[in-house]
Amino acid sequence: DAGVTQSPTHLIKTRGQQVTLRCSPISGHKSVSWYQQVLGQGPQFIFQYYEKEERGRGNFPDRFSARQFPNYSSELNVNALLLGDSALYLCASSLLFVSGNTIYFGEGSWLTVV
Amino acid sequence: DAKTTQPPSMDCAEGRAANLPCNHSTISGNEYVYWYRQIHSQGPQYIIHGLKNNETNEMASLIITEDRKSSTLILPHATLRDTAVYYCIVRGNNDMRFGAGTRLTVKP
Repeated sequence: DAGVTQSPTHLIKTRGQQVTLRCSPISGHKSVSWYQQVLGQGPQFIFQYYEKEERGRGNFPDRFSARQFPNYSSELNVNALLLGDSALYLCASSLLFVSGNTIYFGEGSWLTVV
Repeated sequence: DAKTTQPPSMDCAEGRAANLPCNHSTISGNEYVYWYRQIHSQGPQYIIHGLKNNETNEMASLIITEDRKSSTLILPHATLRDTAVYYCIVRGNNDMRFGAGTRLTVKP
């Protein structure tokens, strides 16, 4: 069975540009969340979606936005890119939006901003 | 901020048990303890989670103290492939808040 898949795996953008990252959850999973991991640090929570509704938001600026589609896939958008946005962006999925569910992560999208 | 405290690094001899501690003194009644590991900045790999009972699966065992203020992840027979950063996370009906984790190095 396919795990959480993310695309693209690597990309390079210029400051000020916009980027869209994509995530397909495990089949049957309805909850998707996004994390940013800067080199040398643990992942930091950005967004959580369940049944196409935002259920949680981390401490990130409004330049970051996301959405979840009817097929439960998700996109993370980052506008006006800064050098500090360079990071590994992780998507995770779980069956439901309740405590105790197992959450599975994808391999991430490496974003480099130059 | 993460609700857990872990030692920054630990070493373990290959073939021996690795015991990774985690303190979570402010854990709430409905919050679970999760363990993940991350190898070479790949996506975090799920290991195990539990609420208050000890748990065991094919990868590891999770021992949670009776007061739930701390837990220990046990890798029964560590191999070189278990070298990774291990994250202990407390989660309720919300996001996963990662700390800095413990860098476990398994040595031959």
